[in-house]
Amino acid sequence: AQTVTQSQPEMSVQEAETVTLSCTYDTSENNYYLFWYKQPPSRQMILVIRQEAYKQQNATENRFSVNFQKAAKSFSLKISDSQLGDTAMYFCAFGDSGNTGKLIFGQGTTLQVKP
Amino acid sequence: DTAVSQTPKYLVTQMGNDKSIKCEQNLGHDTMYWYKQDSKKFLKIMFSYNNKELIINETVPNRFSPKSPDKAHLNLHINSLELGDSAVYFCASSQDLHRAETQYFGPGTRLLVL
Repeated sequence: AQTVTQSQPEMSVQEAETVTLSCTYDTSENNYYLFWYKQPPSRQMILVIRQEAYKQQNATENRFSVNFQKAAKSFSLKISDSQLGDTAMYFCAFGDSGNTGKLIFGQGTTLQVKP
Repeated sequence: DTAVSQTPKYLVTQMGNDKSIKCEQNLGHDTMYWYKQDSKKFLKIMFSYNNKELIINETVPNRFSPKSPDKAHLNLHINSLELGDSAVYFCASSQDLHRAETQYFGPGTRLLVL
């Protein structure tokens, strides 16, 4: 069974600086999909970025990018030029196989951006 | 325009009661889900439905009964509520069941059982 681990329960960063959130996962598959979701204090779950495992190029969305290391089964999220609005809980997720649509989530990392 | 909506946003009730949470999506998606987020913020899938058919039930107690009257709606009915049911429940939808599809989440329903 696939598992997703986020080893940093809490992190903080100064506004305008860069922060990296870690995620590792365990799978025996070769083709899969990984996601980062953001949950601000409003509670809404919002997709930040996604990565297809068959793509070697790391995904980027504006200030958000990932460092996808397939062999190491690592999928970290880098937030550049952190903004106060980035304060949220961030969840790493693995798209499960078997055509069930199931997402397996990590435990989450709470990120505090300080002014 | 709200893509995935849930009602109510908050629900406070006594143990033993029965309650329902409604979910609607206007994205034209085929697949809908219910997730539970516990007090430690851990998110776990409960059910997925595709074209009104149940696809997965992640060992959820029988007291939880999802109902999908059409593709755009997936409601969650909970019988005989227990203290341990207190959580935030999220509805989500995606274009289809493919693992690559982005899931769009509703705003969540915070359920508190007293």
